[in-house]
Formats: sequence, C-alpha cells, structure tokens
Amino acid sequence: GAVVSQHPSWVICKSGTSVKIECRSLDFQATTMFWYRQFPKQSLMLMATSNEGSKATYEQGVEKDKFLINHASLTLSTLTVTSAHPEDSSFYICSARDGSGRGAHIQYFGAGTRLSVL
Amino acid sequence: DAKTTQPTSMDCAEGRAANLPCNHSTISGNEYVYWYRQIHSQGPQYIIHGLKNNETNEMASLIITEDRKSSTLILPHATLRDTAVYYCIAYTGKLIFGQGTTLQVKP
Repeated sequence: GAVVSQHPSWVICKSGTSVKIECRSLDFQATTMFWYRQFPKQSLMLMATSNEGSKATYEQGVEKDKFLINHASLTLSTLTVTSAHPEDSSFYICSARDGSGRGAHIQYFGAGTRLSVL
Repeated sequence: DAKTTQPTSMDCAEGRAANLPCNHSTISGNEYVYWYRQIHSQGPQYIIHGLKNNETNEMASLIITEDRKSSTLILPHATLRDTAVYYCIAYTGKLIFGQGTTLQVKP
C-alpha cells in the first residue's frame, strides 16, 4: 500500500509555544489530506480537510486559528498547533488520499504524532 | 453520512476465521463501505472497501448483503497480530470514525 510519513512521532513542548507536524505522501500524489486527533480510549476525530493550494476546511468546533494547516504541495501538508496548552495534548494523525487508479479515494494514514504540552 | 453500528468487542481463537459484522441500514447508493483497523498507538491501516459486490484481497474478504444494509469483514486465519480496533465506515469523501469493534485474538 501507499506510504504516508508523519514527523515527528513524539514531541514535548512548553505551554504557550507552537508545534509543527509534517505529513508527507511518499509514493503518490495527494490532492487531499486530512488531520485527525485522538484522545486516550476514544476514536479518531476529524479536525480538517486540506486540498493542495487552497484553504483547509475545518470541522465544527475546531479552531482554525489554533490549528493552522498548510498544504503547499501534492506531497506535503503541515499542522501547526499554535500557543499550545496542556489540553491540546493528544495523538494527532494525518492521512492522504490517493486520487489515482483503483486506489482512488483510499485514505492512507501516517503513524501519528503524540503531543505532550507541559 | 450513513451511521454504522458495530459490536463493541469480539474474541477470536488464533488460526480461526474472524467475522466482524457491521450494520449500515441508512447507507445511500453512492456510499462505499470501508474497513480500517487501528493497532494500539498506531495510525489506522486500510483493509478493504466495496460498494455492492463482495471483495477479497490479501488481507481480508468483504461480504456485503444484497440490500447493502449490512456487511461482514472476514479475516480468514486470524493471528495474534490481528488484535486491533476495526472500523466500518460508510464513505462519502471523508472518513468519519465511530467506536469500532475491538477484536481480541487469543492463543
């Protein structure tokens, strides 16, 4: 299957600082990428959908000024958690949709980034 | 998006087939049924998807009823590494995850 790389896998930061998470599709072009958040013992919650070259679409209740998403190329999307606070501590997971051939519309996921805000 | 209903948890003996059911009685004609699984502390892994016909790949088989109101994911020979949370999703452009089924494969 297609490979999505997410970096870093684990980050600890101080309250008030910003953290950037990268998501790359390694062997396919992803016109659409997605960002999810998962709290312990809960399911994944979709935060936003990003299309290459355009603004991200955020789900209801997700603060767009706090979670900045940039999808500047067909293989890279970034999520920046601005002014992070302890309640932002979570598991952040990206996915990329392969828009070609038989694999069209399949979303492939990164390994996730565990964010701990002190 | 159609809602899916799955049992909270299931057990399966190692080497036996694991049959995971999913109800999606309100699914519309253009919604695919997708299955993913998430092993602890990892990103979800794509398993299989289908629209109307049954599907099979190297990981699993997907059986969809003729009325498309339910489906079953079959792992033909479950191993301990198949222990995970399995998600059945009716897909219309983005994956919305429910609570899934926690499958425990036991020796």
